[in-house]
Amino acid sequence: AQTVTQSQPEMSVQEAETVTLSCTYDTSESNYYLFWYKQPPSRQMILVIRQEAYKQQNATENRFSVNFQKAAKSFSLKISDSQLGDTAMYFCAFMNPLFSGGGADGLTFGKGTHLIIQP
Amino acid sequence: NAGVTQTPKFRVLKTGQSMTLLCAQDMNHEYMYWYRQDPGMGLRLIHYSVGEGTTAKGEVPDGYNVSRLKKQNFLLGLESAAPSQTSVYFCASTVGAYTEAFFGQGTRLTVV
Repeated sequence: AQTVTQSQPEMSVQEAETVTLSCTYDTSESNYYLFWYKQPPSRQMILVIRQEAYKQQNATENRFSVNFQKAAKSFSLKISDSQLGDTAMYFCAFMNPLFSGGGADGLTFGKGTHLIIQP
Repeated sequence: NAGVTQTPKFRVLKTGQSMTLLCAQDMNHEYMYWYRQDPGMGLRLIHYSVGEGTTAKGEVPDGYNVSRLKKQNFLLGLESAAPSQTSVYFCASTVGAYTEAFFGQGTRLTVV
């Protein structure tokens, strides 16, 4: 079974700083997708960024970018110029290919990192 | 569009009672999922469906049943609620296997 590990339960940075959230995963699959989701206090799950494993180029979305190291099975999220509204739980998630014979589990989530942006 | 809507948003049950959580999506998505979120555990998959009339077990299916009689609806049932099922439940849907998951707003269930 696939596993996703987020080793930082909580992080705190000052507004405008850059912060990196780490994520590692374990899989025997070669083709898969990785995601970062944000969960603010409202509880809504919001997609931050998505990375396809077959693409070597790291995904970026405005202030959010990833460092995808396929061989190391690492998928970190960098938030630049952090803002108070970035305060939230951040979940790294791995998407298994459905009915591939390697398991069909939908999204496998890490336990999350609670990011606090201090004013 | 409403996206993914969960009903109810909050519920308190007594041990042994039954209930059904409803998930409705208006995006014509094929895949639908039920997750539970517990403190320090992230989200864990309970059951999922890859199309109307199909369901399959996820990581933590015990004590739950599901049905997908209509493409737009995915129901999660608790036949005999237990305190261990106190959690926040999320429904999600995707158009395909590798695409973005759209989540409902969650249902906070407390079993006393």
